Amino acid sequence: AQTVTQSQPEMSVQEAETVTLSCTYDTSESNYYLFWYKQPPSRQMILVIRQEAYKQQNATENRFSVNFQKAAKSFSLKISDSQLGDTAMYFCAFIGTASKLTFGTGTRLQVTL
Amino acid sequence: GAVVSQHPSRVICKSGTSVKIECRSLDFQATTMFWYRQFPKQSLMLMATSNEGSKATYEQGVEKDKFLINHASLTLSTLTVTSAHPEDSSFYICSARDLRGVGDFQRELFFGSGTQLSVL
Repeated sequence: AQTVTQSQPEMSVQEAETVTLSCTYDTSESNYYLFWYKQPPSRQMILVIRQEAYKQQNATENRFSVNFQKAAKSFSLKISDSQLGDTAMYFCAFIGTASKLTFGTGTRLQVTL
Repeated sequence: GAVVSQHPSRVICKSGTSVKIECRSLDFQATTMFWYRQFPKQSLMLMATSNEGSKATYEQGVEKDKFLINHASLTLSTLTVTSAHPEDSSFYICSARDLRGVGDFQRELFFGSGTQLSVL
């Protein structure tokens, strides 16, 4: 079974600064996808970024980028120029051939003035 | 992106009653929908996978007789919490996979807005 670990329960960053959220996972599969989801206070799940395991290039979406280290099974999220609207729970997630999305325990990010 | 509508957004019921939650894919067809449960300040835990036209697949530890899932069409899955008790109080979220596009598990999942169930 796959496991996803987020070791930072809470993080805080000042507006306009950069923050990195950590995620590690464990799998024996070679073909899989990794995701970062954002859950704001509304509790709507929002896809932030997706990484395909067979792609070496790190995914980037505007202010959001990942550092994907396949050998180390690490998948961190970097948020640049943090904004107050980035305040939310962030979940790292894994999906493999079983087609089930497995979530990490989440990191609560607070962006402050 | 595709839209998944989930209703109701909030429901309060008495202990012993049943509650039905609907999950609809509005602009796409979904052969597979997923039901998650989320306790306060915790992660999403997969309860079951809903398959159109067949029986749902439940995760270990989830009571299939308590959480009835019906996926009668390509756009609608329902979760019925039967004989609800206070410990069933939780936030329930559905998600659906768009059939369009290539591949299977890499297709993006779209989430409903969730249902907060409170059992008194």
